[in-house]
Amino acid sequence: GAGVSQSPRYKVAKRGQDVALRCDPISGHVSLFWYQQALGQGPEFLTYFQNEAQLDKSGLPSDRFFAERPEGSVSTLKIQRTQQEDSAVYLCASSPVTGHQPQHFGDGTRLSIL
Amino acid sequence: GESVGLHLPTLSVQEGDNSIINCAYSNSASDYFIWYKQESGKGPQFIIDIRSNMDKRQGQRVTVLLNKTVKHLSLQIAATQPGDSAVYFCAEKDPNYGGSQGNLIFGKGTKLSVKP
Repeated sequence: GAGVSQSPRYKVAKRGQDVALRCDPISGHVSLFWYQQALGQGPEFLTYFQNEAQLDKSGLPSDRFFAERPEGSVSTLKIQRTQQEDSAVYLCASSPVTGHQPQHFGDGTRLSIL
Repeated sequence: GESVGLHLPTLSVQEGDNSIINCAYSNSASDYFIWYKQESGKGPQFIIDIRSNMDKRQGQRVTVLLNKTVKHLSLQIAATQPGDSAVYFCAEKDPNYGGSQGNLIFGKGTKLSVKP
């Protein structure tokens, strides 16, 4: 399809394991964003890429969180040594770079840490 | 009222009625706003947006009103249908970013329930 694609849709990991979440943005979209959504809350910003450059990572909650977008297209959010409080839905969004354009979201990865 | 944790504000309407969902924002420098609809298990879906140089914008069955004086945003849905049942979020572009790019700051959401 033409939308933002995220995988896996669901991920269960044991506390202490590392996880990697993938995002395929809409083709041609230069900007890519990661958000974290806790149950019953609105999404909260994690990090922002423009092409391959990570322009803002101020929302990453700890140094266990790492994101990359090496070729300016697909992005991966990695969480090392997962903890129970990392359980959430991780959403990816993309948008064109020019003008005030809405961000388009994928359906997210639901991460559960046991 | 305000929601905390799982307690989202809820709006219950009869099918065919009009719905109005409200949102307050805090930063007078905010210049771009978006309404999203989120169904269970899905990501936020774009509904309509508005820039701060406008007071009103209309789409198909939806209207967004922006009152910059009181920093208030509303989404009106005409002839509400059961398929409109979802959580609705308003979002503002982070005003700390210059230019047209930047992350979004989301409100707490309102759950709309449509009774057939």
